[in-house]
Amino acid sequence: GAGVSQSPSNKVTEKGKDVELRCDPISGHTALYWYRQSLGQGLEFLIYFQGNSAPDKSGLPSDRFSAERTGGSVSTLTIQHTQQEDSAVYLCASSFRGGGSYEQYFGPGTRLTVT
Amino acid sequence: GDSVTQMEGPVTLSEEAFLTINCTYTATGYPSLFWYVQYPGEGLQLLLKATKADDKGSNKGFEATYRKETTSFHLEKGSVQVSDSAVYFCALSDLGDDKIIFGKGTRLHILP
Repeated sequence: GAGVSQSPSNKVTEKGKDVELRCDPISGHTALYWYRQSLGQGLEFLIYFQGNSAPDKSGLPSDRFSAERTGGSVSTLTIQHTQQEDSAVYLCASSFRGGGSYEQYFGPGTRLTVT
Repeated sequence: GDSVTQMEGPVTLSEEAFLTINCTYTATGYPSLFWYVQYPGEGLQLLLKATKADDKGSNKGFEATYRKETTSFHLEKGSVQVSDSAVYFCALSDLGDDKIIFGKGTRLHILP
């Protein structure tokens, strides 16, 4: 079956602009996660959704970052007033249910470059 | 807070060599431990996992044993292949938590 998909695969934006990153999880997966992968920082957790609610937003680095999930499916990560330090690969993952014992399946990522 | 520390790379080995990538962790609870792998041009995927002390996870010839006494989860393979070249991430998820905490990754190069 189809895996996790993300769009766009690459995004170049100017400093100060807003960007939206999209994630389509595996059908039937109730849990969805956003991570950020940057040089020197490894993989950082950003936010977790169970259904449409986000019980854990602890990884969002600032109030410029927000995310929503609708219909228990597609999620959008929005970064307002982008800064150069936001440049990274943004990864989305989904799992059948929340909780660390369930395998998370990762999408290919969106590479964001802020110029 | 919880954290994962793994050996820095890159690690370069010849084909058929023995591989060890060290990983240690700090956790307040009883975490599940994972190794994820990212092959060139591909997404991150789960390689193996262990959910309690003394468990051994294994897959594709790779093994890692959950050692609570040393808080370690070292990845080993007896004979590596060129196709094993990738970035390997050690990770944990604490009991009752949902997110995965990753190490910074170790890039592995296997020479033919």
